[in-house]
Amino acid sequence: EVVMTQSPATLSVSPGQRATLSCRASQSIGNNLAWYQQRPGQAPRLLIYDASTRATGIPARFRGSGFGTEFTLTISSLQSEDFVVYSCQQYYTWPPGEGTFGQGTKLEIK
Amino acid sequence: EVQLVESGGIVLQPGGSLRLSCAASGFTFDNYAMHWVRQAPGKGLEWVCLITYDGGSTFYADSVKGRFTISRDNSRNSLYLQMNSLRTDDTAFYYCTNEKHKYFESWGQGTLVTVSS
Repeated sequence: EVVMTQSPATLSVSPGQRATLSCRASQSIGNNLAWYQQRPGQAPRLLIYDASTRATGIPARFRGSGFGTEFTLTISSLQSEDFVVYSCQQYYTWPPGEGTFGQGTKLEIK
Repeated sequence: EVQLVESGGIVLQPGGSLRLSCAASGFTFDNYAMHWVRQAPGKGLEWVCLITYDGGSTFYADSVKGRFTISRDNSRNSLYLQMNSLRTDDTAFYYCTNEKHKYFESWGQGTLVTVSS
């Protein structure tokens, strides 16, 4: 079973700066990784799929990278609405199971 | 515009049963596999179950296998989750989501199920 580990659990960054969020897989998953954003009280929103492809309508300041076991979500020029929770999902193993999602990273204002 | 609207969440006691519904619109429902994903308060996302586009196959997380049943009615563009033998650790927001190439393209707002004595 693949285990997804996100770090850090909480990241403090100033508005206008860049945030770098990490997601690590316990085994190689190729580029089978997605990132989601979740605002309080709202549904998750797909940001990135196939590790680096932005979903429809996602601003260019969101960039996904990585392959294999190490993945990064970089958010440039942070805006107030970006300070929420981000989760990664691996879809290398199918059907999904216990190790589908990381535990999330909360991005907070420094 | 894609819309997924969950309903049916309530407060109930351990051992109880509940059926959640998800009404879909804005996309060709019977072209998509559908999933339920849940999130306990303050916790991460947890995949629950999956049903193929035609309802022919279903898959479950070990934590709900034998207690939950996912189904769909493509004529009504609706997804369901029958939850039996509920436990306190089933307390969560339950989201329905449509699958595109194994990632989750659109999500509903969720419905809260609280299991408490």
